[in-house]
Amino acid sequence: DTGVSQDPRHKITKRGQNVTFRCDPISEHNRLYWYRQTLGQGPEFLTYFQNEAQLEKSRLLSDRFSAERPKGSFSTLEIQRTEQGDSAMYLCASSDWTSGLSSYNEQFFGPGTRLTVL
Amino acid sequence: QKEVEQNSGPLSVPEGAIASLNCTYSDRGSQSFFWYRQYSGKSPELIMSIYSNGDKEDGRFTAQLNKASQYVSLLIRDSQPSDSATYLCAVNRDGATNKLIFGTGTLLAVQP
Repeated sequence: DTGVSQDPRHKITKRGQNVTFRCDPISEHNRLYWYRQTLGQGPEFLTYFQNEAQLEKSRLLSDRFSAERPKGSFSTLEIQRTEQGDSAMYLCASSDWTSGLSSYNEQFFGPGTRLTVL
Repeated sequence: QKEVEQNSGPLSVPEGAIASLNCTYSDRGSQSFFWYRQYSGKSPELIMSIYSNGDKEDGRFTAQLNKASQYVSLLIRDSQPSDSATYLCAVNRDGATNKLIFGTGTLLAVQP
């Protein structure tokens, strides 16, 4: 399977615990995006990387959230001191971004990690 | 006003009919537009992208874009029960980041 993969697929944790999610993008894709989706809503942008550089973070991303893409391949998203409001589907997407054609880059999503904070 | 608006539905159509899904966006500078299909409990799956005014066809799917009216639509011909899902409209306003702004989705129900 050469698509985007995410691990774990489901995570149940208690309030106050730390959690970490992993995303492996499509191998030749240089851009990686994190989104969050709650029930009845569309995905909301959280942050994105071009290779290993984190280029933008949404205001939705509080200081309890941190993301890395250390070697420009896989990425991790960590949530510290989880709160019940963090319960959501965390989605990763990747794209093959090309300068000059940037508007046309399609993003492909992984299966998501569903987080439940008790 | 939401940046991307969709009717939440449900839109119910009989099997074999044409389903028409609509989306409006607020930022006139938006550059590219995408339709994703999302089955319940699953992640979004890209089905169409469109960048220029007019129609773009791919199999049973046709995307239509009218930038002057800030309107994007998706037509599904010969609708099948397997097309029953939520259809998300996504807009790229920023050619640098390419972050997508999503609508809340339209639930399509195809009745056998």
